[in-house]
Amino acid sequence: QKEVEQNSGPLSVPEGAIASLNCTYSDRGSQSFFWYRQYSGKSPELIMFIYSNGDKEDGRFTAQLNKASQYVSLLIRDSQPSDSATYLCAVSANAGKSTFGDGTTLTVKP
Amino acid sequence: NAGVTQTPKFQVLKTGQSMTLQCAQDMNHNSMYWYRQDPGMGLRLIYYSASEGTTDKGEVPNGYNVSRLNKREFSLRLESAAPSQTSVYFCASSEGAGESPLHFGNGTRLTVT
Repeated sequence: QKEVEQNSGPLSVPEGAIASLNCTYSDRGSQSFFWYRQYSGKSPELIMFIYSNGDKEDGRFTAQLNKASQYVSLLIRDSQPSDSATYLCAVSANAGKSTFGDGTTLTVKP
Repeated sequence: NAGVTQTPKFQVLKTGQSMTLQCAQDMNHNSMYWYRQDPGMGLRLIYYSASEGTTDKGEVPNGYNVSRLNKREFSLRLESAAPSQTSVYFCASSEGAGESPLHFGNGTRLTVT
């Protein structure tokens, strides 16, 4: 079992819809959770981070964390074509080691 | 504000050649990392340095060495390149170790023939 697993893509949604990206992790000691966006040929950039159970909202993005279920998700409301990218979930349990999932590629169709 | 700077951007090596990838950050971050990314995959940690003067192995350290030259600079060396090391290499830094978000450089695309 991989340490961090993301729902296999690609994911395609129409413009204006909600995109839901999911991630599960195996280490119950995980403390920090991150979502990065990576455009093709570019480096990852931070979208959201969350440390506590519950929801965290930032504009059109909402991160949800459930430590009991070892589950973290990212919701993108009012999806735009510019949101088309690969989304990487990263989890950190020990100091200095963020483990990444393989990513989910999202396409938002106009 | 440069952030994290990696050099070179592209490199082609023959099997057995050596090279050093350079990385420097100007954000006064304590921790620095080297990741590799293969097509269709996430990032895998090669080595990291939680603070100046320390380095630790990540998930895929074989065939690589690192040097934390000072707080700003963290280099990655391939002593004898192999085709399996063809990948995109990202350097990253963070304010603290683990709990802080990563800031990435633009990457080095390495091909080993």
